[in-house]
Amino acid sequence: AQSVAQPEDQVNVAEGNPLTVKCTYSVSGNPYLFWYVQYPNRGLQFLLKYITGDNLVKGSYGFEAEFNKSQTSFHLKKPSALVSDSALYFCAVRVSGSARQLTFGSGTQLTVLP
Amino acid sequence: DTGVSQNPRHKITKRGQNVTFRCDPISEHNRLYWYRQTLGQGPEFLTYFQNEAQLEKSRLLSDRFSAERPKGSFSTLEIQRTEQGDSAMYLCASSLGQGSSSGELFFGEGSRLTVL
Repeated sequence: AQSVAQPEDQVNVAEGNPLTVKCTYSVSGNPYLFWYVQYPNRGLQFLLKYITGDNLVKGSYGFEAEFNKSQTSFHLKKPSALVSDSALYFCAVRVSGSARQLTFGSGTQLTVLP
Repeated sequence: DTGVSQNPRHKITKRGQNVTFRCDPISEHNRLYWYRQTLGQGPEFLTYFQNEAQLEKSRLLSDRFSAERPKGSFSTLEIQRTEQGDSAMYLCASSLGQGSSSGELFFGEGSRLTVL
């Protein structure tokens, strides 16, 4: 079985400050990890993924995420938040070696305050 | 626009009626997924196709739900005898993959179902 936990339903941060959106996972095997963003009335958009290699992954719009195997975490980060980053963020996991579907977390609503 | 296309975007129906949603994936993508998303929740997996073969179905997919992908191109998701609990956003995604490759999913904007 595979699962994802996003412990914070809501994260508020001031514009220009760094942001972190937390994600922990559970899989039997090596994980493939993903972050998606969902704007109102829009489909989910891919931000970044971790497959293997460097634990720090860089993605779209200045976002990055750090894979931590010992803590089974994959937190999303950005050094300086923008008001336009306000959206719903989803972490997802799939076990490597399988073509199976992604399992998503429940989402974290990020609000960047001007 | 060459992204994933879903129709209709919004469907309102009465309980007991049948509804069908269509998904047109990105043309070169061989994998197609259906997910369901309810308010305040992440997407939940329903079913997955590789080309025309339906390889996996979630236990969420009751016998009232059926999905097809004839010729490995577009896909349809039909819900028979709809219930109020079926009200949700139905998301389609596609990806290009071989074997256990790590291709990311590209999502459509979804079809919102409201069952009265």
